[in-house]
Amino acid sequence: RKEVEQDPGPFNVPEGATVAFNCTYSNSASQSFFWYRQDCRKEPKLLMSVYSSGNEDGRFTAQLNRASQYISLLIRDSKLSDSATYLCVVNRDYQKVTFGIGTKLQVIP
Amino acid sequence: EPEVTQTPSHQVTQMGQEVILRCVPISNHLYFYWYRQILGQKVEFLVSFYNNEISEKSEIFDDQFSVERPDGSNFTLKIRSTKLEDSAMYFCASSEEGQENEQYFGPGTRLTVT
Repeated sequence: RKEVEQDPGPFNVPEGATVAFNCTYSNSASQSFFWYRQDCRKEPKLLMSVYSSGNEDGRFTAQLNRASQYISLLIRDSKLSDSATYLCVVNRDYQKVTFGIGTKLQVIP
Repeated sequence: EPEVTQTPSHQVTQMGQEVILRCVPISNHLYFYWYRQILGQKVEFLVSFYNNEISEKSEIFDDQFSVERPDGSNFTLKIRSTKLEDSAMYFCASSEEGQENEQYFGPGTRLTVT
């Protein structure tokens, strides 16, 4: 089983739609969880941290389920500018960082 | 807003040659990292560096690779004898004390080995 698994997509959604991505991780000792965004041929950019209590940043909501070992990202009211690849990142500690393959989102006018 | 910078943006080299990729982390950050991303594949951790020494490295980071902080601002990745399979995007990242897990990435160096 891969350390971090994501559906690579692509997810094609119309503008204004709500879309959700999931990510599962295999190592129960994992401590920190993040979503990054990566535009084509660009560097990953930190989108948000993910906490057990769930956290929200504008149109973005992230959730962590430690029991089932998955994290999720919900994007409401999708914009064209949300088109990117969303990377799930799991840290055992800052030294052991594992990226998922990423889920590609294409928001269509 | 402070950012991580990397040079060059693109490096072409012949197989067997040595390359040095350069990074300037964000100035108050103390943790530094190198990652690589082969085209179409996931971002892979190579090495982390703190307090002038390697704190963790992956199985990819073999004897052909080395890192150095030659002065107070630069952080370099050297590949001693490049192979075709080293062709990838190499990203440098840094994070600050107390926020070690929140890493900020540079724009990357695209390495092409011919």
